Amino acid sequence: QQQVKQSPQSLIVQKGGISIINCAYENTAFDYFPWYQQFPGKGPALLIAIRPDVSEKKEGRFTISFNKSAKQFSLHIMDSQPGDSATYFCAASIKVRGGKLIFGQGTELSVKP
Amino acid sequence: DTEVTQTPKHLVMGMTNKKSLKCEQHMGHRAMYWYKQKAKKPPELMFVYSYEKLSINESVPSRFSPECPNSSLLNLHLHALQPEDSALYLCASSQPVGELFFGEGSRLTVL
Repeated sequence: QQQVKQSPQSLIVQKGGISIINCAYENTAFDYFPWYQQFPGKGPALLIAIRPDVSEKKEGRFTISFNKSAKQFSLHIMDSQPGDSATYFCAASIKVRGGKLIFGQGTELSVKP
Repeated sequence: DTEVTQTPKHLVMGMTNKKSLKCEQHMGHRAMYWYKQKAKKPPELMFVYSYEKLSINESVPSRFSPECPNSSLLNLHLHALQPEDSALYLCASSQPVGELFFGEGSRLTVL
């Protein structure tokens, strides 16, 4: 019930391509879905986040798509660049209660030049 | 640059040593967190302090002892650790209901 399942575990994309990472959850009480980006040797940094009252949120080359009925959300990275190579974690929480973040297992993205 | 500062960045200690990890934030956040992260795994929550009081302890062994001296500082005291405790220890802060900001972490190696 508390799990967030993330796929794929690793992803290789050519420069300029679209990177897509998917997450699924079971707990319908989750109301906050952030994505974190982590470079080697660094802490995770908040990339973009969405609430379930919208189906899509875009910030620059990064877009979250949210499907409430399917309990799925995904991160799309358009025009992927080698500098986007990092590990990406989706997460979910019950924000209104200050609930703890439940992280997905992470996706290691490699963008080839 | 992150606004959550952790020291030291790297720490090597023996199993009989006592050491501390330190974390500082000046964003006025009232919640502070310790996470543990193993290689290629997501961060795992250890402790949460809310308004300087321990609000969550995720059944962490007593060899890890957190302390929150004030609203800007968070410490993690380490004693009699095991090699399997080697990991990246991340501090984070937030408003009680707000975005989570992580520090860059302290890389701990236990020999």
